Amino acid sequence: LAKTTQPISMDSYEGQEVNITCSHNNIATNDYITWYQQFPSQGPRFIIQGYKTKVTNEVASLFIPADRKSSTLSLPRVSLSDTAVYYCLVGGSRLTDSWGKLQFGAGTQVVVTP
Amino acid sequence: NAGVTQTPKFRVLKTGQSMTLLCAQDMNHEYMYWYRQDPGMGLRLIHYSVGEGTTAKGEVPDGYNVSRLKKQNFLLGLESAAPSQTSVYFCASSYSFGRGEGGNQPQHFGDGTRLSIL
Repeated sequence: LAKTTQPISMDSYEGQEVNITCSHNNIATNDYITWYQQFPSQGPRFIIQGYKTKVTNEVASLFIPADRKSSTLSLPRVSLSDTAVYYCLVGGSRLTDSWGKLQFGAGTQVVVTP
Repeated sequence: NAGVTQTPKFRVLKTGQSMTLLCAQDMNHEYMYWYRQDPGMGLRLIHYSVGEGTTAKGEVPDGYNVSRLKKQNFLLGLESAAPSQTSVYFCASSYSFGRGEGGNQPQHFGDGTRLSIL
């Protein structure tokens, strides 16, 4: 089961780009990398998922190097409403993989100030 | 379309009491999950279900039981509550792996049940 390591917290100002790096040194061949966002008193919300290289959607970008031992979530031009906890997950794509034991970890608390 | 609904939202129990948390989803998802979230520990998977009538253990299953009698409902039971089970419980659901181009299907979460056991 791939363990993930993220910074505990990050601070940023409005309008800046925030990059959160997640380490997952023992990622398995079938594992995907998924990021979730959680606001206080709410359940987590899916942001983005990738397997290799770069993935971009309307909310964020995910950069994955060739060795896949880490990944970076990039939030462009953050606003106050981006203040939340961000979780990096690594898990298999099939039931026979590590999916059944997906771990959210403690996540990264991002605080955006004016 | 309500998504994932959890009831109750708050509950206080005494040690040894039993209760059931209800999760309902209206997205026709095959998979459903129960997590607990404790301060500084993120979410931990308790049990999950890949379809009606089937359940499986997650990372921290001890002290909990689950049932999935209907596709849209996933129940989490505490037979004899203990203070260590004080936590925020989240239910989630997702499509099965057969959809899309691979990878884990996004999980849709409810807003949680805050449970305190005295």
